[in-house]
Amino acid sequence: AAGVIQSPRHLIKEKRETATLKCYPIPRHDTVYWYQQGPGQDPQFLISFYEKMQSDKGSIPDRFSAQQFSDYHSELNMSSLELGDSALYFCASSSPPGLAGEQFFGPGTRLTVL
Amino acid sequence: AQKVTQAQTEISVVEKEDVTLDCVYETRDTTYYLFWYKQPPSGELVFLIRRNSFDEQNEISGRYSWNFQKSTSSFNFTITASQVVDSAVYFCALSGSNYQLIWGAGTKLIIKP
Repeated sequence: AAGVIQSPRHLIKEKRETATLKCYPIPRHDTVYWYQQGPGQDPQFLISFYEKMQSDKGSIPDRFSAQQFSDYHSELNMSSLELGDSALYFCASSSPPGLAGEQFFGPGTRLTVL
Repeated sequence: AQKVTQAQTEISVVEKEDVTLDCVYETRDTTYYLFWYKQPPSGELVFLIRRNSFDEQNEISGRYSWNFQKSTSSFNFTITASQVVDSAVYFCALSGSNYQLIWGAGTKLIIKP
């Protein structure tokens, strides 16, 4: 069965650079979630989209933005990168959204900021 | 407020021992879901189980079993006859009315050969 695809899997950037992470949900899933997991931490919810509209917002910094496109894939744009942005970024998808919608996680993108 | 507490930061056992990972949650929602995820050293998050708040029936899946007790707001996870491949960080999570997953801090499980 198709799973959530994230690209790239690994990314190395310098401070103050920008980065774009991509997420391709499971086919027919209409909800996408983004999480950030720092070393030794639990995942922190950043933002979610349902039917291409932002549905919920968590602890996403103002330097980050995200959107969901017409084909339901999502991109997380990160600007003015800081050392503290180094983390594992997960994307998850679900359908239907909400309580019953189990979130299926992608393999994650490991971002390293030097 | 919603909260998930995994009091055990790290557990180390010898292979073939049984081990229980504790999870206690707080929520004011009457309808909610509880989850367990496994995160092996490779980093991916592997879904293990989902339980809704109206279903207190315990579940067994091979060497894994889950004990959901609403009276104590607990959703504990037991691995029977542990194996080295079970070594991972295990997260308990809660999904309530705001649809977000609220995560526990995780329990690092080390299975020694």
